[in-house]
Order: sequence, then structure tokens, then C-alpha cells
Amino acid sequence: EIVLTQSPATLSLSPGERATLSCRASQSVSSYLAWYQQKPGQAPRLLIYDASNRATGIPARFSGSGSGTDFTLTISSLEPEDFAVYYCQQRSNWPPLGSTFGPGTKVDIK
Amino acid sequence: EVQLLESGGGLVQPGGSLRLSCAASGFTFSSYAMSWVRQAPGKGLEWVSAISGSGGSTYYADSVKGRFTISRDNSKNTLYLQMNSLRAEDTAVYYCAKDRGSGSCSICYYFDYWGQGTLVTVSS
Repeated sequence: EIVLTQSPATLSLSPGERATLSCRASQSVSSYLAWYQQKPGQAPRLLIYDASNRATGIPARFSGSGSGTDFTLTISSLEPEDFAVYYCQQRSNWPPLGSTFGPGTKVDIK
Repeated sequence: EVQLLESGGGLVQPGGSLRLSCAASGFTFSSYAMSWVRQAPGKGLEWVSAISGSGGSTYYADSVKGRFTISRDNSKNTLYLQMNSLRAEDTAVYYCAKDRGSGSCSICYYFDYWGQGTLVTVSS
């Protein structure tokens, strides 16, 4: 099973600052990686898929990069609504056996 | 507007069974794979099971294999999760999630719409 590790566990920043979140896979996942945002009491929201493609309706301040085992989610300038928990997720390509999530990074207000 | 509405959660004793349902609307249900994803209280996300659009292919996390069964009724636009031999560690909010879909993957495991979740509590 592929294990995802996210760092840091918590990121304390101020609105307007740049956020850089890391996700590392225990073995290569090619570009089959997504990022989700989750706020308290809400379902997750898809932000990025295939490592760098923004999902429908996602603001341009969110960007993803990486391939293989190392991935990054960048929020260029934090808005008040961006303080949340962020999860990375990998998927198996073929056969489509399943998926795993990382443990999450909490972005909170400094 | 895409809507996913889960139901069927509740309190069940260890070793018991429960069936979750997810009523879908706002998209062509049979054209998309669907998954169940759970989240234990205060914890992260765990993918549980997936099913192809036709229902012909199903996949499970090792933690639930042999105990849970995913199915769908495309005539009713409804997804199901039959959960047997429940354990305390199955306690979680269970979300149904729509697969984003793509021409390049039968099940893409990218979830672009989620329900609000239904809480399953396994306790004596």
C-alpha cells in the first residue's frame, strides 16, 4: 500500500501570506495525486487533480506541482476562507484498485 | 445542481449490520463511478469502497474487505453500502462521493462532489 506523508502537520500563517504544503508518497504515484480542502463540519472539496489541474471553480491562487513521490500545494496569497485542513490523495491507475489519503495539514491563522 | 444525500447511519452494536444509502441527482448517475469515504471523529479521510458506473466492478479498502459490500441501483439513482460484522473502529462519518470521471480512467478516484455525510457509531 502506498503511504502518503504530509508536512507540516500545522502551518500558522497570516492572511495575504503564501502557503506551501508538502505531500510525499512512499513510492511513485506518477501524477495521480489530488488535493482537497476541508472546513469544520463540511465535506471535503476537490481543489487539484492529476497533481496540477485545478478543479472546476477553484481560484487561481491554488496551484499544485510535482510528480513521482514529491508534491506541493501552493496558496499564493491566503484569503480568510482558506484556513482549513488540506489532504492529499493518491489513486492507483491500472488496475483501479483503490486510493489513499494523507493525514492532512491544518492551515490556521497566526 | 449535483446533490448527494446519504441516509441510514445510526448506532449499532459490535458485530451488527447497517445499510447506508446515497440518493443522487443532478447528473447522469450511471455514467459515473461512485465511492464511499469515511472519517472517524477528529481524524482524517479514509477511502472505503468504489463501484464503476455500470456496477460491474467494485473495489474495497483492506480494512473493510469481506465485511462491506458496495452496490448501486441505476434505475433509482442510488448508491448503497452494506456493512456487516461492524467493529468499533468503523465508527465514522460516511460520505458518498461522485467520481470526477475521465475518458482515460474507468474509476478515477477524484471526488468532485460529496454528500453531507451520515454518522455510524458502533458501540455497545
